[in-house]
Amino acid sequence: AQTVTQSQPEMSVQEAETVTLSCTYDTSESDYYLFWYKQPPSRQMILVIRQEAYKQQNATENRFSVNFQKAAKSFSLKISDSQLGDAAMYFCAYRSAYLTSGSRLTFGEGTQLTVNP
Amino acid sequence: DSGVTQTPKHLITATGQRVTLRCSPRSGDLSVYWYQQSLDQGLQFLIHYYNGEERAKGNILERFSAQQFPDLHSELNLSSLELGDSALYFCASSSVGGAITDTQYFGPGTRLTVL
Repeated sequence: AQTVTQSQPEMSVQEAETVTLSCTYDTSESDYYLFWYKQPPSRQMILVIRQEAYKQQNATENRFSVNFQKAAKSFSLKISDSQLGDAAMYFCAYRSAYLTSGSRLTFGEGTQLTVNP
Repeated sequence: DSGVTQTPKHLITATGQRVTLRCSPRSGDLSVYWYQQSLDQGLQFLIHYYNGEERAKGNILERFSAQQFPDLHSELNLSSLELGDSALYFCASSSVGGAITDTQYFGPGTRLTVL
């Protein structure tokens, strides 16, 4: 079974600064998808960014980018020019690319990000 | 707004009772997933339905059951409730069940409190 680990329960950043959230995962599969979801105080789960394991290029979405290291099984999220609205719980998630493994998302424990003005 | 709706938003009930949580997927989405978020277990996958058929089961208790109806809405039934069932229950939907490229969009969740 796959596991996802987020070793930073809490992180903080100053507004306009850059912060990196860490995620590692364990899998024996060679093809999979990785995601970062954001959960603000409203509790809504919002997709931030996704990465296909077969792609070597790191995904970017505006101020959000990832550092995907497949060999190291590492998938970190970098938030540039942090804004107050980025304050939230961030979850790293894994999904297999094989139909036999199903489409379920496996989540890490989450990292609570605080943005200081 | 993800387009996924869940009702009710909040539910307070007593131990031993039975409740039903409802989810309407985004228009056109055939897959519905249920997840449970609790303080001690984190976010866990419960079950996946595609076009009315069960596709995968996760850590779902025998006291819990789900179904997806012909109009594609889904219901999660929780019975013989225990204090530990208190959690936030999310529904997510995606366009094609089993298609690897589809993204799961989450509803706002139902907060269940068992007293």
